[in-house]
Amino acid sequence: GEDVEQSLFLSVREGDSSVINCTYTDSSSTYLYWYKQEPGAGLQLLTYIFSNMDMKQDQRLTVLLNKKDKHLSLRIADTQTGDSAIYFCAGVSGGYQKVTFGTGTKLQVIP
Amino acid sequence: EAGVAQSPRYKIIEKRQSVAFWCNPISGHATLYWYQQILGQGPKLLIQFQNNGVVDDSQLPKDRFSAERLKGVDSTLKIQPAKLEDSAVYLCASSFGTRGQETQYFGPGTRLLVL
Repeated sequence: GEDVEQSLFLSVREGDSSVINCTYTDSSSTYLYWYKQEPGAGLQLLTYIFSNMDMKQDQRLTVLLNKKDKHLSLRIADTQTGDSAIYFCAGVSGGYQKVTFGTGTKLQVIP
Repeated sequence: EAGVAQSPRYKIIEKRQSVAFWCNPISGHATLYWYQQILGQGPKLLIQFQNNGVVDDSQLPKDRFSAERLKGVDSTLKIQPAKLEDSAVYLCASSFGTRGQETQYFGPGTRLLVL
């Protein structure tokens, strides 16, 4: 099955850019997602990218996909304190499009 | 549009007791998922329903966990008997399509503590 790995923690200053990285193992993954989880809340879909794309931009969010290296990144421009949360990368694979989540990266934004 | 509803939000039980969680997906969503999220980890899929049929329960500990979605709408997840390692947040999600390749919308989760 799919394995998805992320670094555990990232700390940035307010106004700087944040880059959260993810690696996955299943080259047949059709979609890759980024979810945000705030304390005590469920997961909120932030953005996703199709496997035939290299980049997707959505307001302050930029997703880069390197299929050769099976590497996905999420860049948040002008990071705000409200961006402090845990960010999960997730890959979709298999006949029933099973979603496998990474371990999550905790983003801390310092005012 | 109402989101995915889950209850209860919190539950504390002693080991070897039973517990049940309830989920009501977004209206019209064919696919329903139950995930277990242990503290410090990402969600792990326990079971996936399409309408009222199970399409993936490969990671469900079937000796103690069971789930049903009898009318293809709401669902219950049961643990009997509970173990200490079952302490986690149980997340329910739903998606519109039957091929799974649709956005999953998550409920707020049920936080279970087993003492």
